Amino acid sequence: SQKIEQNSEALNIQEGKTATLTCNYTNYSPAYLQWYRQDPGRGPVFLLLIRENEKEKRKERLKVTFDTTLKQSLFHITASQPADSATYLCALPDTGRRALTFGSGTRLQVQP
Amino acid sequence: DAGVTQSPTHLIKTRGQQVTLRCSPKSGHDTVSWYQQALGQGPQFIFQYYEEEERQRGNFPDRFSGHQFPNYSSELNVNALLLGDSALYLCASSLGILSNQPQHFGDGTRLSIL
Repeated sequence: SQKIEQNSEALNIQEGKTATLTCNYTNYSPAYLQWYRQDPGRGPVFLLLIRENEKEKRKERLKVTFDTTLKQSLFHITASQPADSATYLCALPDTGRRALTFGSGTRLQVQP
Repeated sequence: DAGVTQSPTHLIKTRGQQVTLRCSPKSGHDTVSWYQQALGQGPQFIFQYYEEEERQRGNFPDRFSGHQFPNYSSELNVNALLLGDSALYLCASSLGILSNQPQHFGDGTRLSIL
């Protein structure tokens, strides 16, 4: 079955630096991959979707890459701010492309 | 434009009881999916409803059942509650059944089993 791995350790960075989060997957070749942000006590919020034929996608200070050979997606936040502190989840479609399978998320803490 | 709303926000039950959770999708959305999120884990897919039918189901026992109404709202029912059912239950709505659309989540119902 497909497996998604995100770094379970929290990532602590200084304000203004670039945060880079990793999502690795195995046993699957997804047609697309999604990233979500989740704040404590809240539901996930959709950030970006990247398709297998897109190497990179940007939205304001966010950048996502998708390497289907390495089976890896990288999520970057440039010029990070304390307000970016949250848990970031990557999600892949299941084989039926109806449900999403989520990673366990990486908690980002941006220090002022 | 109201987003996804879920009720209640918190619920405490005892083992063996039954519970019903409710979800109103974002305006214009016709598909509702339910997820269970344990502490420190990502959401895990329970099932999806579209056109008032269950379209896909995750690896959850039959104690978990659901319903979708003509106005697209949905209910999640869990029977014979176990301690392990304690979790945050999330409802997500989207337009269409494919997951290549952004999923819009509510803030969930925190279910605690004593």
